[in-house]
Amino acid sequence: AQSVAQPEDQVNVAEGNPLTVKCTYSVSGNPYLFWYVQYPNRGLQFLLKYITGDNLVKGSYGFEAEFNKSQTSFHLKKPSALVSDSALYFCAVRDMEGSARQLTFGSGTQLTVLP
Amino acid sequence: EAGVAQSPRYKIIEKRQSVAFWCNPISGHATLYWYQQILGQGPKLLIQFQNNGVVDDSQLPKDRFSAERLKGVDSTLKIQPAKLEDSAVYLCASSFTPPANEQFFGPGTRLTVL
Repeated sequence: AQSVAQPEDQVNVAEGNPLTVKCTYSVSGNPYLFWYVQYPNRGLQFLLKYITGDNLVKGSYGFEAEFNKSQTSFHLKKPSALVSDSALYFCAVRDMEGSARQLTFGSGTQLTVLP
Repeated sequence: EAGVAQSPRYKIIEKRQSVAFWCNPISGHATLYWYQQILGQGPKLLIQFQNNGVVDDSQLPKDRFSAERLKGVDSTLKIQPAKLEDSAVYLCASSFTPPANEQFFGPGTRLTVL
């Protein structure tokens, strides 16, 4: 079975500081990994994904994520946070080889960037 | 490019009533998904269609939930009869054929069951 964990319900960071939102996963084979962002009363928006290749993935709005196979992690990062980055962030995983066809989402991390 | 459209945006019903949600995916996307998102949780897949066929409905409560995608384009999700625990946001998403392709989400329908 595949699963994903976001260990922090809430992350607070000052504007201009770097931010990290943590994600760890569990799959039986190799993973496809995704990050989505959700603003209030909106659907989820795709930020970035890891499929294969370079472990550092760059995405929308200056976000990037690093795939670490040994630590089974895919943390989301941004060098300099903006107040407008405040939102709910979801990590998701799908096993490349497993029988599960669906994308499994974490429980989400609320990011608040303080001015 | 138009995004995923959903209606209605909000719905309030009494328990034991029925309700239906509509979704129109992005043009050209063969795969359509319905998710249930309960407050404080991540989205949970209810059903996945590939064109007009069901790929995965393992988490759909089939005694009360049904969904169809008759012409392989738009889709309807129905709940009959509704229970209090069905209060949630129902998200529709679409994508090119998975597994590597990202999903595009609609704005969702917020259902409140009283």
